Amino acid sequence: EIVMTQSPVTLSVSPGERATLSCRASQSVSSNLAWYQQRPGQAPRLLIYGASTRATGIPARFSGSGSGTEFTLTISGLQSEDFAVYYCQQYNDWPPYTFGQGTKLEIK
Amino acid sequence: EVQLVESGGGLIQPGGSLRLSCAASGFTFSSYSLNWVRQAPGKGLEWVAYISGGSNTIFYTDSVKGRFTISRDNTKNSLFLQMDSLTAEDTAVYYCARDWFGVDCWGQGTLVTVSS
Repeated sequence: EIVMTQSPVTLSVSPGERATLSCRASQSVSSNLAWYQQRPGQAPRLLIYGASTRATGIPARFSGSGSGTEFTLTISGLQSEDFAVYYCQQYNDWPPYTFGQGTKLEIK
Repeated sequence: EVQLVESGGGLIQPGGSLRLSCAASGFTFSSYSLNWVRQAPGKGLEWVAYISGGSNTIFYTDSVKGRFTISRDNTKNSLFLQMDSLTAEDTAVYYCARDWFGVDCWGQGTLVTVSS
């Protein structure tokens, strides 16, 4: 089973600034990685798939990069609605699909 | 608009059974594989089960093998999860999730609470 590890667990950033979230896989997942946003009380929402492709309707301030075992989600010009929990997920080697434990992005 | 709507959650005693349903609309249901993903209170996301469009391929996470059964009815655009021998560790919000480069669409979730 591929283990996904996200860092940091909590990230404090001011509105308007840039946030950088990391996700590491225990073995290569190629570019088969997705990022999700989950706001309190809501279902997750797909942000990025294929490590770097924005899903439909996702603003350009969200960008993904990386391949193999190291991945990054960058959110530029943070807006109030961006403060949420973010998860990465690998879909390269499954079952099982595996998720990271999440990074909580909070307002500084 | 793509929609997934779960139902069937509730409070159940340990050892009991529950059947979750997911009603889909807005897309060609039989063309997509589907998953159940759960989230324990205050915890992260955990994939539970997968079923292909024609029900030919089914997978489960180890902790539910032999207890949970995923199925679908393509004539009714519906996904199901039969959950037997439930334990407190199964307490979670259960999401119906469309499989596409990860999960591209999620339902709102249904809460299952296993407690005496």
